Amino acid sequence: TQLLEQSPQFLSIQEGENLTVYCNSSSVFSSLQWYRQEPGEGPVLLVTVVTGGEVKKLKRLTFQFGDARKDSSLHITAAQPGDTGLYLCAGGPSSGYALNFGKGTSLLVTP
Amino acid sequence: SQTIHQWPATLVQPVGSPLSLECTVEGTSNPNLYWYRQAAGRGLQLLFYSVGIGQISSEVPQNLSASRPQDRQFILSSKKLLLSDSGFYLCAWSGTSGAGTQYFGPGTRLLVL
Repeated sequence: TQLLEQSPQFLSIQEGENLTVYCNSSSVFSSLQWYRQEPGEGPVLLVTVVTGGEVKKLKRLTFQFGDARKDSSLHITAAQPGDTGLYLCAGGPSSGYALNFGKGTSLLVTP
Repeated sequence: SQTIHQWPATLVQPVGSPLSLECTVEGTSNPNLYWYRQAAGRGLQLLFYSVGIGQISSEVPQNLSASRPQDRQFILSSKKLLLSDSGFYLCAWSGTSGAGTQYFGPGTRLLVL
């Protein structure tokens, strides 16, 4: 099993602040996904990154895949209350069908 | 566009009763299908996956089983529920290219009393 560690586990910030959450592993992944999940709902895909060093932007969210494809970061600029949720990263192995999920970062943005 | 459905949304069952959760996907053919369990709003544990009709792979030994009677239908079952089966069950689908991006359904909240 390829373990993914996410940090921090919990983050509480005020509206307008910037933040970065991390997803780290000692294993190489063929691809990495970020999801956001709200209470009582299924995770919603935010982005998939596949190339080492790749950077993708989704409005105020910036995702980066590490050069060695072992880690990733999610940066949110000027956080809003609507960004509140559980952020999960998931890595795809070189072969097989199982995605490995981190335990998530729980983000709370207060007005 | 593709859509994934799960039902029921919420279920309360007594210990020892049977279970059947259903997942269906629309708008795609021959998807890979997955069942996950999520405890306490944290990480996801893969329970089963299927790459085709009648093909089921189990990731974790447990009190549950899965079946895929049709291409876009995936069912999670149990003959006798345990208290430890309580949790949030998520179905997901992906394309056929290995462990690619997965898309999740809305989930079923199961409470075993």
